[in-house]
Amino acid sequence: EVLVVESGGGLVQPGRSLRLSCAASGFTLDDYAMHWVRQAPGKGLEWVSGINWNSGSIGYADSVKGRFTISRDNAKNSLYLQMTSLRTEDTAMYYCAKALSRRLGEAFHIWGQGTMVTVSP
Amino acid sequence: EIVLTQSPGTLSLSPGGRATLSCRASQSVSTIYLAWYQQKPGQAPRLLIYGASTRATGIPDRFSGSGSGTDFTLTISRLEPEDVAVYYCQQYGSSPLTFGGGTKVEVK
Repeated sequence: EVLVVESGGGLVQPGRSLRLSCAASGFTLDDYAMHWVRQAPGKGLEWVSGINWNSGSIGYADSVKGRFTISRDNAKNSLYLQMTSLRTEDTAMYYCAKALSRRLGEAFHIWGQGTMVTVSP
Repeated sequence: EIVLTQSPGTLSLSPGGRATLSCRASQSVSTIYLAWYQQKPGQAPRLLIYGASTRATGIPDRFSGSGSGTDFTLTISRLEPEDVAVYYCQQYGSSPLTFGGGTKVEVK
């Protein structure tokens, strides 16, 4: 079964850092681009960041550019999101999503169940 | 940034009815870069349609997508109680990738 499972969420104070992980199983990670998408409580979906199969193409939402860093380790079948200088408005469920192909510009085929990040004093 | 505007905000229909959801883009989107997702309460989103009109694996043919340029439509024919969800459109051809605000579908 093709699965992605997020971890690393939790409660953190504003200005601090957190690292999210996404473990892939049932498929070869380096055949696909990967993304992070977040959803604030009661709100819609917001794309956060994406990375193509070999890390050669990376994109970020303006709201996180300069604070968040996406990376991947294909050998470990894992995707990461390093989040620094966290703000209260970063509070959200963070989803990892597998794209349909290696390209960054592709639909999000498989989603994890998410990991909750709460930024609060 | 391409802004996607979805309408209506909420759609309430009877079982067996036909739901028509609209997604309008602030600038032209190539059809190969438009997707629709379904998010049921308490669940992660699920890919329904990509390339504007191609159903994802396992998606019933009650779901269909159409449109081009700046106007796209998701149609759910023969609405079932299990279709209660929020539906989002997304463009993935231009960075930043963007989602519409969603349409909530209720079954009366």
